[in-house]
Amino acid sequence: AQSVAQPEDQVNVAEGNPLTVKCTYSVSGNPYLFWYVQYPNRGLQFLLKYITGDNLVKGSYGFEAEFNKSQTSFHLKKPSALVSDSALYFCAVRAYNTDKLIFGTGTRLQVFP
Amino acid sequence: GAGVSQSPSNKVTEKGKDVELRCDPISGHTALYWYRQSLGQGLEFLIYFQGNSAPDKSGLPSDRFSAERTGGSVSTLTIQRTQQEDSAVYLCASSPSGGVYEQFFGPGTRLTVL
Repeated sequence: AQSVAQPEDQVNVAEGNPLTVKCTYSVSGNPYLFWYVQYPNRGLQFLLKYITGDNLVKGSYGFEAEFNKSQTSFHLKKPSALVSDSALYFCAVRAYNTDKLIFGTGTRLQVFP
Repeated sequence: GAGVSQSPSNKVTEKGKDVELRCDPISGHTALYWYRQSLGQGLEFLIYFQGNSAPDKSGLPSDRFSAERTGGSVSTLTIQRTQQEDSAVYLCASSPSGGVYEQFFGPGTRLTVL
């Protein structure tokens, strides 16, 4: 079965510190991986995706993610967190032989001043 | 350009009533998706339309749920005989096609069943 796991319900980080939001996946075939962010009372916004090529992908708002095939992970990172980064973050993987996305349960990021 | 729009933004209904939720995708996007986000939960896939192909209905939780997409554009999600457990935010997304393309999400419809 294809799935996405976000092992942390919440991540707390001080402003200016680096942040990591973890994501692991299980999927048949080559994975297409995505990160989305949801601000309060807003829809989901696309951050970045991995399709093929370089394992380190860069996205919006200074975020990046590293694809690690051996560890089946796609962790989201940012070198220096901002209070405005506080939001709910979702990792997603495209299911094999379909076009629908399977989402993780989300990780709430709280950045403290 | 215009993004994905959904209406209404909020809907309060009584148990047993039928509701219709509307989604206007980005113009030219052939793929359209419906998801449900319950309080404190992740996103649950409901249904997927791609062009003129038969929709993928594998995520619909019961036969009370149905959706249609007219003219390859606007979509309506219908919930018949609503139950309290149907209370959630219903999100619509569209993409230029499936596969490698990211999905663009609308703001959602918050459904409350009393």
